[in-house]
Amino acid sequence: NAGVTQTPKFQVLKTGQSMTLQCAQDMNHEYMSWYRQDPGMGLRLIHYSVGAGITDQGEVPNGYNVSRSTTEDFPLRLLSAAPSQTSVYFCASSYPGGWETQYFGPGTRLLVL
Amino acid sequence: AQSVTQLGSHVSVSEGALVLLRCNYSSSVPPYLFWYVQYPNQGLQLLLKYTSAATLVKGINGFEAEFKKSETSFHLTKPSAHMSDAAEYFCAVTRGGKLIFGQGTELSVKP
Repeated sequence: NAGVTQTPKFQVLKTGQSMTLQCAQDMNHEYMSWYRQDPGMGLRLIHYSVGAGITDQGEVPNGYNVSRSTTEDFPLRLLSAAPSQTSVYFCASSYPGGWETQYFGPGTRLLVL
Repeated sequence: AQSVTQLGSHVSVSEGALVLLRCNYSSSVPPYLFWYVQYPNQGLQLLLKYTSAATLVKGINGFEAEFKKSETSFHLTKPSAHMSDAAEYFCAVTRGGKLIFGQGTELSVKP
């Protein structure tokens, strides 16, 4: 199993540009989440999904969109990037009801100029 | 609302010394508590978790944590630090079925 994979590893954007961060898992996990990690703030939940076709907002959803058309994939879209979205983004997956034991991807480092 | 507070954003110990990373939680109901570790340029991995069974929880790499309800604490310890333990450690609690992370503690290990 590849586990949770994320692409790209690193991206530089200009303010106002859009992009999609990709996340895929091959463990047949129903639950998937997106977090952002900023110094001194831990990880904050952006959006999450409990299954294909079902998504919900987390703690910091503004400026981000998600969709879940398949169990395997959970892309995160930035429609109009802002410098405040400079961060490291992590995707995670877990079994139903198993929010605790989340499996994390390696992260995407995003710089918005 | 459940939350966690990690005391100390940076802890430095000598190789072979005791590691103690502090985590306090606030919760109106018995929580599930977790410690995750993040090595440089990697994602997080689960170190150990408390789910209301034994109060002393053993994890990977020789780490353990004790749930103390009276102190609302879930501190992480390791008797003897190794250079490979240098990483960032996150305490987390479940809230509404989701994980809420603390701010993180960076552990440095000096030779």
